[in-house]
Amino acid sequence: EVQLVESGGGLVQPGRSLRLSCAASGFTFDAYGMHWVRQAPGKGLEWVSGISWNSYSEEYADSVKGRFSISRDNAKKSLFLQMNSLRAEDTALYYCARDLRGYSLIRGIFDMWGQGTMVTVSS
Amino acid sequence: QSALTQPASVSGSPGQSITISCTGTSSDVGAYDDVSWYQQQPGKAPKLIIYDVSRRPSGVSNRFSASKSANTASLTISGLQAEDEADYFCSSYTSSGTAVFGGGTKLTVL
Repeated sequence: EVQLVESGGGLVQPGRSLRLSCAASGFTFDAYGMHWVRQAPGKGLEWVSGISWNSYSEEYADSVKGRFSISRDNAKKSLFLQMNSLRAEDTALYYCARDLRGYSLIRGIFDMWGQGTMVTVSS
Repeated sequence: QSALTQPASVSGSPGQSITISCTGTSSDVGAYDDVSWYQQQPGKAPKLIIYDVSRRPSGVSNRFSASKSANTASLTISGLQAEDEADYFCSSYTSSGTAVFGGGTKLTVL
């Protein structure tokens, strides 16, 4: 089955760190760029970060630049998001999503989504 | 990285057509054809319904169509059905190499 499964969310205090993971299955993971997209409770979608199929290119939203770091392990078909210096405004459901185009720079078209993992930043 | 502008809500009766606009700038919607639309049902992950401005993924109803003119993209849903009631988001690639979403539009089928 083709799917993305996120994990690693939870309740964390402001200023602390958390690492999210996304396990891919059912498709050639190392051919596709991957992204993290978040959605605060009751709010819209916000693109967070993307990484190219070969990890050569990483991009970040201004709101997380310098605090978050995206990475991938193609051998383990996994995507990661290291989140440091967390703030209350980072509270959201974090989705892992696949970029539509294979073997290409990320272009921000998300054709497959996981079910998300919830991150709550609160003291 | 300002969000693209969408109306907060639209509504229509079954069988009617509605259009949702998505306004960006010459650095995103106006510059690239990497414009896409997503449908999100309550409690579910978003689903891609339009990519490359006007292309439909396999399995998406042909009642969904889309276009772009200058800095504004538009999604049209024809023959509205109750199952179309959902939130709709547009997205675009940007000149910064990032992606940006619209604020989302809640579609109510009356």
